[in-house]
Amino acid sequence: DTAVSQTPKYLVTQMGNDKSIKCEQNLGHDTMYWYKQDSKKFLKIMFSYNNKELIINETVPNRFSPKSPDKAHLNLHINSLELGDSAVYFCASSQEGNSNTEAFFGQGTRLTVV
Amino acid sequence: KNQVEQSPQSLIILEGKNCTLQCNYTVSPFSNLRWYKQDTGRGPVSLTIMTFSENTKSNGRYTATLDADTKQSSLHITASQLSDSASYICVVSAQAAGNKLTFGGGTRVLVKP
Repeated sequence: DTAVSQTPKYLVTQMGNDKSIKCEQNLGHDTMYWYKQDSKKFLKIMFSYNNKELIINETVPNRFSPKSPDKAHLNLHINSLELGDSAVYFCASSQEGNSNTEAFFGQGTRLTVV
Repeated sequence: KNQVEQSPQSLIILEGKNCTLQCNYTVSPFSNLRWYKQDTGRGPVSLTIMTFSENTKSNGRYTATLDADTKQSSLHITASQLSDSASYICVVSAQAAGNKLTFGGGTRVLVKP
């Protein structure tokens, strides 16, 4: 069973389009994240949601809008895609309040904007 | 500003040899430090996690150390195998809402036969 699954795995789209990436976790965790890994392989947090509420919102263009319909899902919608949005996006989940908890990551979505 | 820096950025080792990766951090207040392994095209997978009071922790051929006073950690790989080729990422958690994680840039390890 996949713990954190995100779809699609690959996404190629043109500049200006709007796209969504979906993420689901079956671990019963209450916190979910979106990370962006750029071409230099740095992982940077974009958003953190706890029990469907936004906890962390790093400096991310407002073209990026996360949506959490329930604790098990955190989708990422991106409007007006730009070339610089090309990256691998990782969804993750963890259980807040447990200092020893680890974040479980999805397989990543490689977004290419052309 | 919370930061995690890793060195070296990359290294090449021969199969069967040992290597050590370094991680320095400025994250405060400190909660825990984890080492993740990220295979190409995959998401990171946790190898070890250490809290303030733990100095060393092993997971098979991987041994992590932590010096909370100097804010340094290392990951030692013993008797490397080809499957150890991956990026190794040091991640430090702060005691803050959402257990915010700060990621290092990673060390890319290539094990050659």
